[in-house]
Amino acid sequence: AQSVSQHNHHVILSEAASLELGCNYSYGGTVNLFWYVQYPGQHLQLLLKYFSGDPLVKGIKGFEAEFIKSKFSFNLRKPSVQWSDTAEYFCAVNEYNNNDMRFGAGTRLTVKP
Amino acid sequence: DTGVSQNPRHKITKRGQNVTFRCDPISEHNRLYWYRQTLGQGPEFLTYFQNEAQLEKSRLLSDRFSAERPKGSFSTLEIQRTEQGDSAMYLCASSLDGGHTDTQYFGPGTRLTVL
Repeated sequence: AQSVSQHNHHVILSEAASLELGCNYSYGGTVNLFWYVQYPGQHLQLLLKYFSGDPLVKGIKGFEAEFIKSKFSFNLRKPSVQWSDTAEYFCAVNEYNNNDMRFGAGTRLTVKP
Repeated sequence: DTGVSQNPRHKITKRGQNVTFRCDPISEHNRLYWYRQTLGQGPEFLTYFQNEAQLEKSRLLSDRFSAERPKGSFSTLEIQRTEQGDSAMYLCASSLDGGHTDTQYFGPGTRLTVL
C-alpha cells in the first residue's frame, strides 16, 4: 500500500543545533512532495514543496529539503534551529495528477532554549 | 484574513446526533478538500471537489458522511448518527487548480468530540 513514513516521532534539540527529519514514501511513480508545519495552536502551514527540477528545495524560515529519488526520501533540514521552531512537522506526498495526498504521522520537534 | 476558514472550531455532540461543518476556501480557489486527523496521526484524505463536482472519495468516507459544495464556493461536511470513533479534527484545504503542481492550503479545522 502507498504510504509515507516519518521515522522520528519526537525530536528534542537545543537551540542552534542542526535538524534533519526523515521522510520516506512508497510510491513508485512520479510524485509531488511537501513539508507542512503546525505550530502550537495553529493550523497546518506549507513549509516547502517539490514538484520537479532541482532536488534541493528551499522553503521558509531557513528550512530546506532534499529529494533523493533512489532512496524514496525527502528529508527536511535546518542548519540551526530556534526555540520558535518548536512545532509538529508533517511530510506529505501525492502522485502526479492525483489529488489524494498522503501524510506521514508527523514528527514533534521540541527546541530547548 | 483571506485564508481558509472553518466553522465551528469546536463541536461537542452526543452519540447518534447529526453534525454539520462548514468550510470557506480561499476565494478564487476552485478545489476543496476534506481531511480527518486523529491524535498522533497525520491528516487522512476524505474527499475532494473541483468546483461543485465531488470527484474523489476515500473509503474512509462511510455512508454516514456526506459532503457538498453546491455553488462551487463553500462546502459542508455532514456526519449522521455520530459515533465515538468519529471524534477527530476535521480539516479543510483549498487550492487553485495548478494541474500536477497543485498546492493545498489548510484551514484551522473543526474539532469534533462525540460523547
